[in-house]
Amino acid sequence: ETAVFQTPNYHVTQVGNEVSFNCKQTLGHDTMYWYKQDSKKLLKIMFSYNNKQLIVNETVPRRFSPQSSDKAHLNLRIKSVEPEDSAVYLCASRRLGEGDTQYFGPGTRLLVL
Amino acid sequence: GDSVTQKQGQVTLSEDDFLFINCTYSTTTYPTLFWYVQYPGQGPQLLLKVTTANNKGISRGFEATYDKGTTSFHLQKASVQESDSAVYFCALVEGGNYKPTFGKGTSLVVHP
Repeated sequence: ETAVFQTPNYHVTQVGNEVSFNCKQTLGHDTMYWYKQDSKKLLKIMFSYNNKQLIVNETVPRRFSPQSSDKAHLNLRIKSVEPEDSAVYLCASRRLGEGDTQYFGPGTRLLVL
Repeated sequence: GDSVTQKQGQVTLSEDDFLFINCTYSTTTYPTLFWYVQYPGQGPQLLLKVTTANNKGISRGFEATYDKGTTSFHLQKASVQESDSAVYFCALVEGGNYKPTFGKGTSLVVHP
């Protein structure tokens, strides 16, 4: 049963364009994450929000910016995409302290031409 | 800082073989330990987890033992099936820490 929803599933764009990815969770969790997964399946945390507050901000290029309107939504905007941004972007949520299990969405696959 | 090491990038087995995926960790506390499984085209999902209160996690025929002495959390299954083909991630979370730590993942390929 899907409880973390991501749109779009797949996006193809040209270098220099702007893209936005959306994530919504219906689990009532207070913490949400964006991960980047490369072609070797390596998971790299990018950002985390707790109750709409940015709490984890890894070293990512400035063209990446997260946006949270409420604790159930966390979006990701990439201002001017580069070829190395091609990857799967995974959204996850978690209720801090309650077993600490993360629940992942299906991911958005980005291809930059 | 915390770290999780999965030495095996890929494991290839035949159906009914025994599975062993290595995971060791480094941390200053006693974290909760996880195994996540990622099937093709999906996000990772929880397979099993173990806290300091219990030593072993069991789920769907998989098991992992929390060994504080060797700081290991190896994943085992007695008899794998082709449907177990997926990427397996070992991970840890320290209580109250917002940032989980994941291993690099081990890709399991099971041939019929």
